[in-house]
Amino acid sequence: NAGVTQTPKFQVLKTGQSMTLQCAQDMNHNSMYWYRQDPGMGLRLIYYSASEGTTDKGEVPNGYNVSRLNKREFSLRLESAAPSQTSVYFCASSEFSRGPYEQYFGPGTRLTVT
Amino acid sequence: KQEVTQIPAALSVPEGENLVLNCSFTDSAIYNLQWFRQDPGKGLTSLLLIQSSQREQTSGRLNASLDKSSGRSTLYIAASQPGDSATYLCAVDSGSRLTFGEGTQLTVNP
Repeated sequence: NAGVTQTPKFQVLKTGQSMTLQCAQDMNHNSMYWYRQDPGMGLRLIYYSASEGTTDKGEVPNGYNVSRLNKREFSLRLESAAPSQTSVYFCASSEFSRGPYEQYFGPGTRLTVT
Repeated sequence: KQEVTQIPAALSVPEGENLVLNCSFTDSAIYNLQWFRQDPGKGLTSLLLIQSSQREQTSGRLNASLDKSSGRSTLYIAASQPGDSATYLCAVDSGSRLTFGEGTQLTVNP
């Protein structure tokens, strides 16, 4: 039981390049989330998927797209990376998005955009 | 818009001390409040979740309380140990999303 896994762990991009961050969970959770963590800003929600087939914007969605590929996988895509997207990205999952359900986090992807 | 504040930003204590971390939030219309621990360079580990109808939750040496009407939660750590050194984050669930505080960085000195 691996929980929430993320790939890659580290990535360096040049401005304008694109990439996809991968996330998978093996807990049969319905809801999945993408956050970014920046010094002085805390964790902020980028996008979430309450259930398979649905996605919704969070607090800071600009510059990102997401795909809920199936119940297990939720990917985050940067189409044209910018230095402002340098951050640590966390994926999380929970049994449901509403109610007393804990969110479980992956280990993070550390992204640097030069 | 929900805002979450954690005080203090950093705390250093000697081993064995009991301590309290504070979390306050601006909108009392919450579903749950969750406390997390984050070790340097790692992801978040859930410690406790308190439902809006509950007053407190306990897990081992940890006790979290919730006063929804005043917009406050505390995390009490008993008999602190060096292994408790980490950043502790409070997050409020206002409906399908968590709003996080910036955390309290705790150092427990042997």
